[in-house]
Amino acid sequence: DVKVTQSSRYLVKRTGEKVFLECVQDMDHENMFWYRQDPGLGLRLIYFSYDVKMKEKGDIPEGYSVSREKKERFSLILESASTNQTSMYLCASFEGGEGSGNTIYFGEGSWLTVV
Amino acid sequence: AQSVTQLDSQVPVFEEAPVELRCNYSSSVSVYLFWYVQYPNQGLQLLLKYLSGSTLVKGINGFEAEFNKSQTSFHLRKPSVHISDTAEYFCAVSRGYQKVTFGTGTKLQVIP
Repeated sequence: DVKVTQSSRYLVKRTGEKVFLECVQDMDHENMFWYRQDPGLGLRLIYFSYDVKMKEKGDIPEGYSVSREKKERFSLILESASTNQTSMYLCASFEGGEGSGNTIYFGEGSWLTVV
Repeated sequence: AQSVTQLDSQVPVFEEAPVELRCNYSSSVSVYLFWYVQYPNQGLQLLLKYLSGSTLVKGINGFEAEFNKSQTSFHLRKPSVHISDTAEYFCAVSRGYQKVTFGTGTKLQVIP
C-alpha cells in the first residue's frame, strides 16, 4: 500500500513564525501535492511538484512556498504565518500515467492553528 | 475548465436505509471521476473511481457509483448504511494529475 506520511498532525504557531510542514511518500511517485482544506470550501490546491526541484503554483499559492530536494519528500513552507492560514493541510502523491490507477493518495493531514 | 458540484452539504439518513450522494461535473473533455471518503481527523481515502469501461463502478465498503455522461453526473449510492459510514465524502474530477478538482464535500450523518 502507498503510504504518505505527514510529520506533524497538530501544530500551534504564532503570527509571523516560519512554519515547515513535511511530507514523505514511499511509492516513488513523481507527482506530489499540497492542499488546504477548509469547511465549505473543499480542497484547494496550493502547490504541486512533478519532479525533484520542480514545482508549480496551484490555485492559492499566496503566502506559501514549497521545496522538493528529494523525490520522496515535499515540504510546504509558510514564510510568515498569519491567522488566515489556520487550516488543515493535506499532502498527497499521485500514481498516474498510461495503465495506472490515476489515483491520488493522501496523508492524514496536519492541523495548523496560527495564534 | 472543469468543475464539480456536490449539491448537498449534509445528508442525514437512518441506519440501514439507502443513501445517494449527488455529484455533477462539467468539463469539455473526457475526465476521470473519483469519490473519496474522509473520516473524522483523517486524510482522504479513495472509495472508488471511474476511468473507462462499465459505467457502474463498485468501491469499498459496499458503495457504488454510476457514471452518466448525458447528465454529467457521478452519484454515489449505498443500499444500506451503517453507523461507521458517518464521514465526509468528496467527489473529484481529473483530466490528469494537474487538473484534479474536488467538490466541497457532503457530510453523511447516519442516525441510529
